[in-house]
Amino acid sequence: SQQGEEDPQALSIQEGENATMNCSYKTSINNLQWYRQNSGRGLVHLILIRSNEREKHSGRLRVTLDTSKKSSSLLITASRAADTASYFCATDTNAGKSTFGDGTTLTVKP
Amino acid sequence: EAQVTQNPRYLITVTGKKLTVTCSQNMNHEYMSWYRQDPGLGLRQIYYSMNVEVTDKGDVPEGYKVSRKEKRNFPLILESPSPNQTSLYFCASSLRKLFGTGPESSYNEQFFGPGTRLTVL
Repeated sequence: SQQGEEDPQALSIQEGENATMNCSYKTSINNLQWYRQNSGRGLVHLILIRSNEREKHSGRLRVTLDTSKKSSSLLITASRAADTASYFCATDTNAGKSTFGDGTTLTVKP
Repeated sequence: EAQVTQNPRYLITVTGKKLTVTCSQNMNHEYMSWYRQDPGLGLRQIYYSMNVEVTDKGDVPEGYKVSRKEKRNFPLILESPSPNQTSLYFCASSLRKLFGTGPESSYNEQFFGPGTRLTVL
């Protein structure tokens, strides 16, 4: 089973609206990361939040982490058509194993 | 330019014909990893390497081999490819320094290659 599971699987919004996607995980973590993938291309790192942080901002991105619920959310504010992509959360163990969720496919309509 | 490169980018082959997908990074990263991505299944880790001569199995290692003889290279070997290995493959690398334990201890942003689309007939 996936360590990270994103919700929803797909999200369609209008340009200018906010997009929120969620991630749940199963084991203890040191940090959680969010990545973006444009269709068929390599993933690009967006933001990392450590387990002792509750919220982090980067430009139009806001990430929250609730370790008691083992969940994280990624908020993209004032979305643009260029934000259309798939978004993945990922967690790692100290031993080196990485687990990615199945991703949320975001479509932003102009 | 800091990057992870993979070759080939596209490959069509037949069942049983050994192949190697190369991966190279120029960032002096210690950690490297291979993933496969299939529709509806997200990314699944095949093998990873914490450093030279150190490799470990990920979630789906069956049918694959890797080696890490040098820091910059991490080739993925399919000794006898089968159709169920048709997939999109990504190599990634990370600085992944560990300083003690706990949330401040690691920095493990992964940099991904452009992907290799493999079809096994």
